[in-house]
Amino acid sequence: ELKVEQNPLFLSMQEGKNYTIYCNYSTTSDRLYWYRQDPGKSLESLFVLLSNGAVKQEGRLMASLDTKARLSTLHITAAVHDLSATYFCAVDTGRRALTFGSGTRLQVQP
Amino acid sequence: DADVTQTPRNRITKTGKRIMLECSQTKGHDRMYWYRQDPGLGLRLIYYSFDVKDINKGEISDGYSVSRQAQAKFSLSLESAIPNQTALYFCATSDLGGTGNTGELFFGEGSRLTVL
Repeated sequence: ELKVEQNPLFLSMQEGKNYTIYCNYSTTSDRLYWYRQDPGKSLESLFVLLSNGAVKQEGRLMASLDTKARLSTLHITAAVHDLSATYFCAVDTGRRALTFGSGTRLQVQP
Repeated sequence: DADVTQTPRNRITKTGKRIMLECSQTKGHDRMYWYRQDPGLGLRLIYYSFDVKDINKGEISDGYSVSRQAQAKFSLSLESAIPNQTALYFCATSDLGGTGNTGELFFGEGSRLTVL
């Protein structure tokens, strides 16, 4: 059974600081997705990582994928309050549907 | 208009009642999914459908049933609702399966269900 683990589950950080969210998964996969969810809202796609070594960047967020280590990271650079949200990673094993991590709730303090 | 539409958006019901959540999409995707979200547990897969004749159980299908009425419509039913089915339910579609497609999910706005 595929397990997807994110850490930390909760992250409070100050504006201007850098931090990384980690996503580990237990089964071979070369497709990984990052989503953002604002409170009470739906999930919005952030990044699609489709191969080992893939790196995507959008604004202050950068995601990478190491399929050999079964690890993806979401790096936040110089955080701003607007980045406060819950971030989910999701893994595709090619068998059925995406399996999600529990989410990382990010709170950026002024 | 949203590409993936869920109705109702909010519903309060009583234990033992039958509830249907509906999902329709205009993205033209073959694959549709129902997920359930509970605080601290991420999203868990209830059912998924790769086309109208292909419906599969997910990890938490007990107590739920689905119907794929057409390529664009996928409904989730709770035959006899119980309080621990109180959750936020999401419908999603995917372009996975086609050449060059990314396989990412596109979500509806969610249906908040409360079972008293």
